[in-house]
Amino acid sequence: EDQVTQSPEALRLQEGESSSLNCSYTVSGLRGLFWYRQDPGKGPEFLFTLYSAGEEKEKERLKATLTKKESFLHITAPKPEDSATYLCAVTDNYGQNFVFGPGTRLSVLP
Amino acid sequence: DTEVTQTPKHLVMGMTNKKSLKCEQHMGHRAMYWYKQKAKKPPELMFVYSYEKLSINESVPSRFSPECPNSSLLNLHLHALQPEDSALYLCASSQITDTGELFFGEGSRLTVL
Repeated sequence: EDQVTQSPEALRLQEGESSSLNCSYTVSGLRGLFWYRQDPGKGPEFLFTLYSAGEEKEKERLKATLTKKESFLHITAPKPEDSATYLCAVTDNYGQNFVFGPGTRLSVLP
Repeated sequence: DTEVTQTPKHLVMGMTNKKSLKCEQHMGHRAMYWYKQKAKKPPELMFVYSYEKLSINESVPSRFSPECPNSSLLNLHLHALQPEDSALYLCASSQITDTGELFFGEGSRLTVL
């Protein structure tokens, strides 16, 4: 059964304090790994797709990386507006299962 | 601004009411989804409509019934709901079904009294 776990569950950072969020997955043949950002009471916003180990994607202060077992979302010099829940999700090679992880709640304090 | 529009944004209903949630997308996507999300939990898939074919999460009770009038509209009909059905209901769309690149609406917050 495909599984996705994320750590930490919650993270508090000072503005400018860089850190990383982890997404570990178990899937029978990874087709894609996806990162989303979700603000409270809103729908998730798509950020990145990663397809193969070694791949990296960047957007502003965010960089996502992928290995064979996990993905990291690196946040460089975060700002308070980066506060949100970050969700990762995977699809398998059959394209039938799309599984969200539980998310990491990030708070960036000014 | 999201290109997936959901109405209403908030809905309060009694357990004997019949109501509907509506979703519209103008991106020409061929797949549309309904998700349910409880507080501090990830979204859970309820239904997928793709190429006029409905796929159902078998754990979803029959008091929820989807309807797809056309490829850009997706409704969720609600009947005889329970208080535990209170949640954020999210609509999403994607270009194709075997992708994780979903575009979500802002959600409809449902409260069942």
